Amino acid sequence: NFMLTQPHSVSESPGKTVTISCTRSSGSIASNYVQWYQQRPGSSPTTVIYEDNQRPSGVPDRFSGSIDSSSNSASLTISGLKTEDEADYYCQSYDSSSVVFGGGTKLTVL
Amino acid sequence: QLQLQESGPGLVKPSETLSLTCTVSGGSISSSRYYLGWIRQPPGKGLEWIGTIYYSGSTYYNPSLKSRVTISLDTSKNQFSLKLSSVTAADTAVYYCVGDMGGFGELGFDPWGQGTRVTVSS
Repeated sequence: NFMLTQPHSVSESPGKTVTISCTRSSGSIASNYVQWYQQRPGSSPTTVIYEDNQRPSGVPDRFSGSIDSSSNSASLTISGLKTEDEADYYCQSYDSSSVVFGGGTKLTVL
Repeated sequence: QLQLQESGPGLVKPSETLSLTCTVSGGSISSSRYYLGWIRQPPGKGLEWIGTIYYSGSTYYNPSLKSRVTISLDTSKNQFSLKLSSVTAADTAVYYCVGDMGGFGELGFDPWGQGTRVTVSS
């Protein structure tokens, strides 16, 4: 099985841009779609990116996703940060035997 | 639009079996569109996929939990359930039922139930 590694925390100021990485330990990041979830305190996660770079309806275009085969990683970029973006963010992917989540990144907007 | 709601005991004794039910509204689980699953989150920690069931009854489990997990459907009640046997304190978590888009989270998990907190303690 593989692991997805995320930074434990990131912080940035309102209006700025932040990128959260998600590195796959083995197997190609491009082989299986990556999803990203936002979880605000006390709430269930919600999808902000699916299929590497697709946004569900209702998710603002400030959120974007990408993959980089050279670093075997996926990234979630949030531009024009708002205080409401402060949350935990999880990446998720899969292989033929299991579903894997990253450990989560706490985004602080200060 | 599917809506999911978990129910079940909030307290389970060590070595016993944890049993949760997810009631589905807004669609029939016997439809060929749906994979349904369970995900858990220990206090202060990240998300862990437990398993997924297809409308046909085919199941897919996290290899690390497979020996203790059973997920099943009750199409007459439009519900699916989770049983986790021989629980320990490490199984204390918020348990979410989820829609599994494409199976194995291939297209993500959506929707999510509100989650139900289960504590394993004597």
